[in-house]
Amino acid sequence: AQSVTQPDIHITVSEGASLELRCNYSYGATPYLFWYVQSPGQGLQLLLKYFSGDTLVQGIKGFEAEFKRSQSSFNLRKPSVHWSDAAEYFCAVGEWKYGNKLVFGAGTILRVKS
Amino acid sequence: DVKVTQSSRYLVKRTGEKVFLECVQDMDHENMFWYRQDPGLGLRLIYFSYDVKMKEKGDIPEGYSVSREKKERFSLILESASTNQTSMYLCASSSRAGANVLTFGAGSRLTVL
Repeated sequence: AQSVTQPDIHITVSEGASLELRCNYSYGATPYLFWYVQSPGQGLQLLLKYFSGDTLVQGIKGFEAEFKRSQSSFNLRKPSVHWSDAAEYFCAVGEWKYGNKLVFGAGTILRVKS
Repeated sequence: DVKVTQSSRYLVKRTGEKVFLECVQDMDHENMFWYRQDPGLGLRLIYFSYDVKMKEKGDIPEGYSVSREKKERFSLILESASTNQTSMYLCASSSRAGANVLTFGAGSRLTVL
């Protein structure tokens, strides 16, 4: 069965510092991988996705993620964090099917200190 | 702009009440989903539907049922609400074609007293 692990429940970074959020997945075939962000009181917004091809994918708001098959990882990065990036981030894995269920990690709460 | 609309943002119900959570999407998406979100547990799939009148159980279907009579509407039903169903409920939809990326609603926060 698919599973997603986000090892860090909370992360605090200073504004302007770099950020890396970790995500490890368990899946038998080539996965479809996603990062979503949830601001307080809001639904989830897609940041970026990986289906195939270039293992470094660019997303919105200056985020990027790198798929590493050998490590079963899909870590999210941003070179310089802004206070508005404070939110909860979810990694998810899915497969290409008509239903396209996604399995989500437990989430990482990002706090940004000024 | 594509939209998934959940009719109720906040609900307070009593134990044993029947609860309906409504979700409507205007994107002509084939797939619709109900997730439950709890701190430290992420999102867990309750039910999903890949066509009108079709439904499949997700990972935590116990205590819930769903209805999809029209393509744009997917309802989550709690037949007899219990306190352990206090949670945030998120509806999402996706298209069968292309990338099947989920679009989420803003969520419905249910408190069962």
